[in-house]
This record gives sequence, structure tokens and C-alpha cells, in this order.
Amino acid sequence: DVKVTQSSRYLVKRTGEKVFLECVQDMDHENMFWYRQDPGLGLRLIYFSYDVKMKEKGDIPEGYSVSREKKERFSLILESASTNQTSMYLCASSPPRVGEQYFGPGTRLTVT
Amino acid sequence: AQRVTQPEKLLSVFKGAPVELKCNYSYSGSPELFWYVQYSRQRLQLLLRHISRESIKGFTADLNKGETSFHLKKPFAQEEDSAMYYCALKSRAAGNKLTFGGGTRVLVKP
Repeated sequence: DVKVTQSSRYLVKRTGEKVFLECVQDMDHENMFWYRQDPGLGLRLIYFSYDVKMKEKGDIPEGYSVSREKKERFSLILESASTNQTSMYLCASSPPRVGEQYFGPGTRLTVT
Repeated sequence: AQRVTQPEKLLSVFKGAPVELKCNYSYSGSPELFWYVQYSRQRLQLLLRHISRESIKGFTADLNKGETSFHLKKPFAQEEDSAMYYCALKSRAAGNKLTFGGGTRVLVKP
């Protein structure tokens, strides 16, 4: 059974703080993804990675960066958190050439 | 650019009634489409994919390339079908990116 875990379920940060969101998967998947989920907007892709140390921008990368030093771990970094980054953040992983993605439980981030 | 549109934000139906969730897409190629579901307090999970032509939990979805649609249907809705549903389109580019629609919340009333 694929397991994708995220470091926090809830996080409250202040404007300007640096924020790290961690995601770990245990199925040796090559692909990993970070989305934000907002009502009415669905899921929007922030960044994805198809291999260690490889990353590509998604649809809304501004204000975010990522790190993938190990295959199982994909980190999302908010360099200087802003209130418009308050959202639910979802991590996902998938094997190559397969459309199905496996999602983590999400981190609800509030920036005050 | 590829795009997925779910025109209904909320669908409210009575138990036992049919339910249809609309999904339209734009993509310059042969699409691969999915429906994902998120039940209350659970993580997002795959419901079905068009290439499987399967029925999951009584739901079916047919890809109509002429109308660029992939509507999700169930003839008799159950209360446990209340959830958030997302239609998604897979890109053939590296990384298997998915483009999601805005989502439809389904509420099945007793």
C-alpha cells in the first residue's frame, strides 16, 4: 500500500517567515508533485520532480522553491511567507508513465 | 495549453436519484483522463480512469472526443457518495503532470 506522508497537518506561520513543508513516499516513485488546493480553483501544480535533484516549475511557482536530495523526499519551501499563500498543500507521487498519483493527507498552512 | 473545466461547483441530489458531474477538457493530443475523489477528512484518491473502461462504486465515465468531455455518472446516488470530485487530464510530457479541474462538491441528501 503506497504511503505518502507530510510533515504537518496544520501549520501557522507569520508573514515573512521561511516555511518548509516536507513530503516522504515509501514506494520508490520517480515522480513527486506539490499542489495547492483552494476552493473553486481545484488543485494547481506548484512544482514537480521526475528524478533526484531534478525539478520543474508547474503552473504557479512564484514565491515557492523545492528541493529533492533523496528519491523519497520532496520539500516545498516558502522563502518569505505571505498571506496569499494561506492554503491547503498536497504532495503526491507516481511511478513513471503512469497517470495515477498517490496523495498525502495535506498540510493546511495559515499565514498571519 | 491544456485545460479542464468542471462547470458545477455544487451538485445536490436526493438519495436514489441519478447524478452526473460534467467535465470538459482542451488538449491538443490524445487525452488520458481521470476522476479523483476526496471524501470528508480523507486524502484525495483515484476513482477511475478512462482507459480502464471500468465501473467503480457504481460510477462510470465515457470519453467523448467529439465533445471533448468526460462526464462522470451514477444512476442511483448514495449518501456515501457525498464528496469532492475532480476531473484530471494527464500530459504526455515528462513527469506525468496532471491538470485538474476546479472540482465539484456532491451532496447526497437522504
